[in-house]
Amino acid sequence: EVRLVESGGGVAQPGGSLRLSCAASGFIFDDFTMHWVRQVPGKGPEWVSLINFNGAFTRYVDSVRGRFTVSRDNSKNSLYLEMSSLRAEDSALYYCAKDTTSGYSGYEVGNFDTWGQGTLVTVSS
Amino acid sequence: QSVLTQPPSASGTPGQGVSISCSGSSSNIGTYYLYWFQQLPGRAPKLLIYKDDRRPSGVPGRFSGSKSATSASLTISGLRSEDEADYYCATWDNGPSGSFVFGTGTKVTVL
Repeated sequence: EVRLVESGGGVAQPGGSLRLSCAASGFIFDDFTMHWVRQVPGKGPEWVSLINFNGAFTRYVDSVRGRFTVSRDNSKNSLYLEMSSLRAEDSALYYCAKDTTSGYSGYEVGNFDTWGQGTLVTVSS
Repeated sequence: QSVLTQPPSASGTPGQGVSISCSGSSSNIGTYYLYWFQQLPGRAPKLLIYKDDRRPSGVPGRFSGSKSATSASLTISGLRSEDEADYYCATWDNGPSGSFVFGTGTKVTVL
């Protein structure tokens, strides 16, 4: 069974940091591009970041670029999101999602065929 | 606000057909594949349609997608109670920074 399990969410202070993890199983992790998507409860999803199959290419939404870093450890079948300089508006449920491509261009990505259950991040003093 | 605009709501009785529109521009829908996601209450989004009009295995045939120029639509034929959910279109947008974008979302209610 293809499965993604996020962890690492919690409460952080404004300006603080958190590291999210996503453990993958049931598929060949290093064949696929992975994404982070967040969603404020009651609002629509917002794409945050992607990393291609070997970690060589990453992309970010403007609102997190320079503050968040996506990475992966293919030896551990794990995806990470290092979040720093956190703001109240970063509070959301963060999902990791698997794509069906190994690429990173707009022509290749978007087929998010598997999602985790999400981990909740709250930024508050 | 998203660059992809959807109607906030749609509804129908069981068995009816419902269509949801997704309007964009040449920098997104007009250039890249369009995806549709279904989100049931309290659940993660689920891929419903990929690459404009293709259905993943396991998605019922009553769901279909189409695209023309800078607009797309999702049609649910033969609405069922379990289709009551939020629906989002999504695609890449090659604006100044380039990013994947989701639509504003449509809540489908089965009357």
